[in-house]
Amino acid sequence: DTEVTQTPKHLVMGMTNKKSLKCEQHMGHRAMYWYKQKAKKPPELMFVYSYEKLSINESVPSRFSPECPNSSLLNLHLHALQPEDSALYLCASSQARVNNSPLHFGNGTRLTVT
Amino acid sequence: LAKTTQPISMDSYEGQEVNITCSHNNIATNDYITWYQQFPSQGPRFIIQGYKTKVTNEVASLFIPADRKSSTLSLPRVSLSDTAVYYCLVGDSHSGGYQKVTFGTGTKLQVIP
Repeated sequence: DTEVTQTPKHLVMGMTNKKSLKCEQHMGHRAMYWYKQKAKKPPELMFVYSYEKLSINESVPSRFSPECPNSSLLNLHLHALQPEDSALYLCASSQARVNNSPLHFGNGTRLTVT
Repeated sequence: LAKTTQPISMDSYEGQEVNITCSHNNIATNDYITWYQQFPSQGPRFIIQGYKTKVTNEVASLFIPADRKSSTLSLPRVSLSDTAVYYCLVGDSHSGGYQKVTFGTGTKLQVIP
């Protein structure tokens, strides 16, 4: 079990669908992250939110749209994805303004785009 | 961000001590060294973090030489359940209050019965 909860665990969607990935943490962390991980590769940073404001967008295509509605929730809205977007999507959180606070990861959403 | 280099894979027998070395030649003064463990279909899990010399916790030790250009994760008496990918990360807290860290390729450790 992790303290970062991601739903759903698995998602299959067509290229014309719109879906959302959800992430929730109740550790009081004010920094939240989205990572994408392809098979046998390391996680790649997509987005970082700090105090509910988008701080980093690693040149992610606009078909991925992040949202941080409050300090506990992080969403990733998906629209018009491509099959190559199939991957494990990981959410993480960390204490903000604490030097070198480790990241706490959820167990991810396994996304398949058909 | 400092780039890290690790062996792609390692094998070890159960009960042995395993040492995984990470090179980070351009580590910055404020950078810490952090190790994560990842099992298949799970998120990475924090193992240990250090800045210099030696750090030990209940699962591992981290050795960092004086020049800090490398670090070694030591896992005592590994078991089959330690089979995982181990990532070495180097980074610093951003002034915006978050950690900008980049994962390297990681080391896949296979523990053999």
